[in-house]
Amino acid sequence: EAGVAQSPRYKIIEKRQSVAFWCNPISGHATLYWYQQILGQGPKLLIQFQNNGVVDDSQLPKDRFSAERLKGVDSTLKIQPAKLEDSAVYLCASSPWTSTDTQYFGPGTRLTVL
Amino acid sequence: GQQVMQIPQYQHVQEGEDFTTYCNSSTTLSNIQWYKQRPGGHPVFLIQLVKSGEVKKQKRLTFQFGEAKKNSSLHITATQTTDVGTYFCAGSGNAGNNRKLIWGLGTSLAVNP
Repeated sequence: EAGVAQSPRYKIIEKRQSVAFWCNPISGHATLYWYQQILGQGPKLLIQFQNNGVVDDSQLPKDRFSAERLKGVDSTLKIQPAKLEDSAVYLCASSPWTSTDTQYFGPGTRLTVL
Repeated sequence: GQQVMQIPQYQHVQEGEDFTTYCNSSTTLSNIQWYKQRPGGHPVFLIQLVKSGEVKKQKRLTFQFGEAKKNSSLHITATQTTDVGTYFCAGSGNAGNNRKLIWGLGTSLAVNP
């Protein structure tokens, strides 16, 4: 069974630029999560989708971050414009149905904002 | 709101010593999950506990869920260098917004060979 795929693995941009991350969850998983993990901290949930609907985006900085999962499969997370404090690893995870299920993580995208 | 706290934040042990990390929730949990993240890697699921007082073992790892379902622990017997990483607990409540998984800040384990 293929795991969660993410791209790119690394991205370096300057502040005020835009960036987009892509995630393809495990086939058949209804729930998809985007997390932000700052070095030395635990994952912070940015947004959770169930199929193509948003379940939780309470911690998503909506003035600069956006995410979509149009067909209920893969997803993109965008930052526009980026700030220095956005430097982090962006993790995508998926689970079969609810957030109480085991979450399977992708390798993450390490973003550096200069 | 619901909070999940982990202690200690860091632990440095000699290879062969035991290690324990504790997870405490401000509210009763419906379940708790444990994940391990190797340096430079991503979180990997270890186990899920659901029942009050539940104890599960995976080789040298022992996981416990408290009777009140508000705390949990992970104990590693005779640590090895392969145990290095950060161990996260993540718990979810019983209803509504509390059903989302709340992550602890993790315990980073370093093992001296």
